Amino acid sequence: DVKVTQSSRYLVKRTGEKVFLECVQDMDHENMFWYRQDPGLGLRLIYFSYDVKMKEKGDIPEGYSVSREKKERFSLILESASTNQTSMYLCASSPQTSYGYTFGSGTRLTVV
Amino acid sequence: GESVGLHLPTLSVQEGDNSIINCAYSNSASDYFIWYKQESGKGPQFIIDIRSNMDKRQGQRVTVLLNKTVKHLSLQIAATQPGDSAVYFCAENFYGGATNKLIFGTGTLLAVQP
Repeated sequence: DVKVTQSSRYLVKRTGEKVFLECVQDMDHENMFWYRQDPGLGLRLIYFSYDVKMKEKGDIPEGYSVSREKKERFSLILESASTNQTSMYLCASSPQTSYGYTFGSGTRLTVV
Repeated sequence: GESVGLHLPTLSVQEGDNSIINCAYSNSASDYFIWYKQESGKGPQFIIDIRSNMDKRQGQRVTVLLNKTVKHLSLQIAATQPGDSAVYFCAENFYGGATNKLIFGTGTLLAVQP
């Protein structure tokens, strides 16, 4: 069964900490995406990558960075966590020539 | 900017009834649309898709209708079951630079009453 795996389901971090959210896919997909999901706002794109070492900003990149050193892994980094980054974070991947996304189960991050 | 939106944030139906979830989109250049289902504690799962050159597409118990004239998308679920209770998102696709990107609506919560 093909999968997108997010390393943590729940995380609690302190304000100012550097936070790493990891995502791994086993489908050899070229494209990977990070979204955050908040009530009433839906899914908002933070960053995406269409190839190893390539990245593009989404709609809300401020306060975040990403890393894609290997095709299967896409990391989201919160340089200095703040309480307004408390959210559900969703990773997704897709083949280059297809529109369909496969999502991970999400990481619920709480910043205190 | 252009965005995808949903008419009803919450829909409550009786088990066995048909459900209709609606979505309005504003990007006339979007060429592909998807419906996702998200159950509590899980990531969104693909349900059904439709391309802009189609008006209707059917799956197992689900049908998606696309009306390009009024930029409207709907998801019909036949004989709704308790397991259908979830948040449903529509998404539109556009080509954004090097790759395709999906824009998601805010979601509709479908609550199935026994």
